[in-house]
Formats: sequence, structure tokens, C-alpha cells
Amino acid sequence: KAGVTQTPRYLIKTRGQQVTLSCSPISGHRSVSWYQQTPGQGLQFLFEYFSETQRNKGNFPGRFSGRQFSNSRSEMNVSTLELGDSALYLCASSSQSVNTEAFFGQGTRLTVV
Amino acid sequence: QQQVKQSPQSLIVQKGGISIINCAYENTAFDYFPWYQQFPGKGPALLIAIRPDVSEKKEGRFTISFNKSAKQFSLHIMDSQPGDSATYFCAASLEGYSTLTFGKGTMLLVSP
Repeated sequence: KAGVTQTPRYLIKTRGQQVTLSCSPISGHRSVSWYQQTPGQGLQFLFEYFSETQRNKGNFPGRFSGRQFSNSRSEMNVSTLELGDSALYLCASSSQSVNTEAFFGQGTRLTVV
Repeated sequence: QQQVKQSPQSLIVQKGGISIINCAYENTAFDYFPWYQQFPGKGPALLIAIRPDVSEKKEGRFTISFNKSAKQFSLHIMDSQPGDSATYFCAASLEGYSTLTFGKGTMLLVSP
């Protein structure tokens, strides 16, 4: 079974630009969550989607948004990039929406210059 | 507000020794406690998880000990190997949710 696939692996963007990251969950998984990982703040929850509906949202500004498609693939978008948005963005998929094993992708390393 | 506190930040253990990482939580509504292992350049991988109705769970060389009254749980790695050198994260999620709240991580180095 293929794991969680995140694309692209690396991105360099300029302040003020926007970026879209993609996540393909494990086949059959309907829950996709996004996390931001930085050295200072660690792993922080961004949002979770289940069956195309946002189920939960973390404490991030509205510049961070996401969506999930009918095939469970998910995208997250960050608009008006700031230097502080430089981070590893991780996607995790689960077979159900509640308290089950979450499998992470390798992440997208975003650098804002 | 940090809801899951993890210690130590870093740990050096000799090969064959026992690595112990501790976590404490504040919210008594947490009901799922996984541990993740992360190697450089990789995403976190689930190691082992426990629920509050169990005080201990063992999988191979990895054991979680859970103390509900103290709101603490810990990861023990027996017979630590250099290949165990990685960053370990504890996490917790609320009943009815899949959102994980992570500790800050422990960088483990197992010396040969």
C-alpha cells in the first residue's frame, strides 16, 4: 500500500506570494490533517478534513486555508507569505476521523525569502 | 498554552541502555496518547500508542507507561541501539477528535 504522498518536497517562495501544497492520503483513508513543524514551535495543528468537510481548525491566521476533494486528496494554501511561514508542512492521513493511527507524509519544506 | 510538556529536550544513552522520555498533560479530556519517531528529512512515524484504561503497553523494545492520576506518560526504549537515534514526540488527542497535540520533542542519541 502506498504511503502518504506530499508534493512538492521543497519550495522556495518570496514574501507576499502564495503557495499551494498537495497531499495524497493512503488509499481508503478519508481523514487528512495538516501540521506545521518549526524548530521553535514544534508540531502545530493547522486543520483536519474528513469527507471533504473541515472538522477542526488550529490557531492559525486566515491566510492558511485548505480543502479536500472527493478522492480524499487535500490541498493547503498559504496566501501573502511571510518569512515566519518557513517550515516543514506535514500531512497525516487516518482511516477514520477519530483517534486512529495517523500516518504522516515526508512533508513539504517551504522556505520564504 | 502548552498542553503537553515533554522532557528532556535531548538525551544521550549508551548502546544497550534504557532511554526514558517523559510527558505530562493538563487536559483530562485527552484519551489517546501516541508516540512518534522522526528521523531527519522524514515525517513522524507512529511507534506505539496507549489509551487511559491501560497502565502499560509494550511492543518489542518500546514500552509506554501511563499514570492517569498524575497525568503523565512515558516512553521506555529498552536495549537502545544507534539506529534508535532520532527525535521522539509524545502526543495526545481529545475524545471524539483526531487532532494531535504534540510535545516539543526529545532528540535521542544512542552512542555506540
